[in-house]
Amino acid sequence: GAVVSQHPSRVICKSGTSVKIECRSLDFQATTMFWYRQFPKQSLMLMATSNEGSKATYEQGVEKDKFLINHASLTLSTLTVTSAHPEDSSFYICSARVRQGYAEAFFGQGTRLTVV
Amino acid sequence: GENVEQHPSTLSVQEGDSAVIKCTYSDSASNYFPWYKQELGKRPQLIIDIRSNVGEKKDQRIAVTLNKTAKHFSLHITETQPEDSAVYFCAATTGGFKTIFGAGTRLFVKA
Repeated sequence: GAVVSQHPSRVICKSGTSVKIECRSLDFQATTMFWYRQFPKQSLMLMATSNEGSKATYEQGVEKDKFLINHASLTLSTLTVTSAHPEDSSFYICSARVRQGYAEAFFGQGTRLTVV
Repeated sequence: GENVEQHPSTLSVQEGDSAVIKCTYSDSASNYFPWYKQELGKRPQLIIDIRSNVGEKKDQRIAVTLNKTAKHFSLHITETQPEDSAVYFCAATTGGFKTIFGAGTRLFVKA
């Protein structure tokens, strides 16, 4: 299967700081990537759809100014959590599809963010 | 938007028994239904999927059924083994390729 790599796998940051998470498609180009957040023992909640070369599309209730998404190339999308607070602590995970019309999505390893 | 409901939230079976997880979806435009297995702290792994033009699909001990009219789909695991213990998520994908997940089912297989 296709490989999606996410970095870092774990990060601890202080309240008020910003954290950037990278999602890379290693062996394919992805015009669209998806960002999810997962709280302990809960489901994956779609946060936003990242579109290469254009603005991300955010799900209802997700603050676009807090969760900045940049998809500057066909193999890289970044999620920046700005002014992080303890309630932002969660497991963030990205996914991407090999090509349009082929619906199987591949997930990155996830990033466990802890804000102290 | 799409809403996916999943039941049960927890399922405990004896090794060798079958396990069934059921999901319903709301958006009739959804056309792809993957099932994922997630172990603690790890990424979801696709275990089986089904497209809207198919009613049933089987892969060894795992099978999935889809009823488009009723908008529900189910995962069946036969001859369960302790290593099947994990959290299982159903999902529905719309034509826009957004994938919405169910709440998850924590499966325990007792040896």
